[in-house]
Amino acid sequence: EDKVVQSPLSLVVHEGDTVTLNCSYEVTNFRSLLWYKQEKKAPTFLFMLTSSGIEKKSGRLSSILDKKELFSILNITATQTGDSAVYLCAVGSGNTPLVFGKGTRLSVIA
Amino acid sequence: GAGVSQSPRYKVAKRGQDVALRCDPISGHVSLFWYQQALGQGPEFLTYFQNEAQLDKSGLPSDRFFAERPEGSVSTLKIQRTQQEDSAVYLCASSLMGTLPDTQYFGPGTRLTVL
Repeated sequence: EDKVVQSPLSLVVHEGDTVTLNCSYEVTNFRSLLWYKQEKKAPTFLFMLTSSGIEKKSGRLSSILDKKELFSILNITATQTGDSAVYLCAVGSGNTPLVFGKGTRLSVIA
Repeated sequence: GAGVSQSPRYKVAKRGQDVALRCDPISGHVSLFWYQQALGQGPEFLTYFQNEAQLDKSGLPSDRFFAERPEGSVSTLKIQRTQQEDSAVYLCASSLMGTLPDTQYFGPGTRLTVL
């Protein structure tokens, strides 16, 4: 059975801190790994990763995939209160739709 | 439209009632997905359409759940004889391409509460 595990489950940091969120996976026929940010309702797309070692970057957020060790990290630098959200990791494999982890709840306090 | 829209945003049903949840995907998106998200959990797959064809319904928890997308655009998820365990947020997502996997864009969800 495909499995996606995120850690930590929750995290509290102060504004300006840098955080690293982890996502490990066990799937057959891996195709891609996606990161989403979920604030109120709709998960909003952040990154899609398909190749090992290539960093994707958007502003203060960046992510990288290690297909050998089967994990990805999402980094957020200089955190702001607006970064507070649940960050979801999902994996697409073969002909199955996305399998999600439980998410990491990030709280950034001023 | 600009994004995926869902209606209603909130639905309260008495146990045993039937409900219908609507999803309008991004215009031109071939694939449409339904997910169920319980409190504190990640979304879990329910069913998937490519155009009007339902290609995978393996995630539907029981035969009380039924989904359709008759014209390959709008989709409806119907839950018959609702039970308290059906209470969750139901998310719809669409993607442009007909092949998996592809970036999925989510709607705001419908929060269903069954009393």
